[in-house]
Amino acid sequence: QKEVEQNSGPLSVPEGAIASLNCTYSDRVSQSFFWYRQYSGKSPELIMSIYSNGDKEDGRFTAQLNKASQYVSLLIRDSQPSDSATYLCAVRVARIYNQGGKLIFGQGTELSVKP
Amino acid sequence: GAGVSQSPSNKVTEKGKDVELRCDPISGHTALYWYRQSLGQGLEFLIYFQGNSAPDKSGLPSDRFSAERTGGSVSTLTIQRTQQEDSAVYLCASSNTGIAKNIQYFGAGTRLSVL
Repeated sequence: QKEVEQNSGPLSVPEGAIASLNCTYSDRVSQSFFWYRQYSGKSPELIMSIYSNGDKEDGRFTAQLNKASQYVSLLIRDSQPSDSATYLCAVRVARIYNQGGKLIFGQGTELSVKP
Repeated sequence: GAGVSQSPSNKVTEKGKDVELRCDPISGHTALYWYRQSLGQGLEFLIYFQGNSAPDKSGLPSDRFSAERTGGSVSTLTIQRTQQEDSAVYLCASSNTGIAKNIQYFGAGTRLSVL
């Protein structure tokens, strides 16, 4: 089993719809969870971070975390063609709180928003 | 600049040659990370430096790979006797630890092609 798994893509949604991206992780010690967006040929850029169970909203983006079920999701409301990219789920593995730690990435989900 | 800087942006080398990739982190960031992104492999962790602590080398794929960080700032990733399977985009990230959130910011990457 991979440490971080994402639902396979590509995911295609019409403009204005809600895009739902899912991610599961295997390490129960994981403390921090991130969603990065990566446009083709570019480096990953942070979209959302979430550390506590529940929802976190930032504009059109909502991250949801359920540590008991070991999943994290990203919802994109009112999807735009400019949201078309690969979305990477990342989990920070750190045994000591408040210290840096490597990120373990999922394989990514390619999202296509059709006008 | 304000972001993570990597050089060169592209590197083409012949099989068996050594290469050096450079990363200049965001000023003041104490942690520095190297990742590799190749087709079919996703984004994988290589090595992580934090302050004066011993680096976490657990992701280095072979002893041909090494990295150093001088003066707690600039880092160099060295690949000796390059092989075709080393072809990938090498990404550097930095973060400011001591803060629980530990957001990693990525550079633009170095695209390595081994002929």
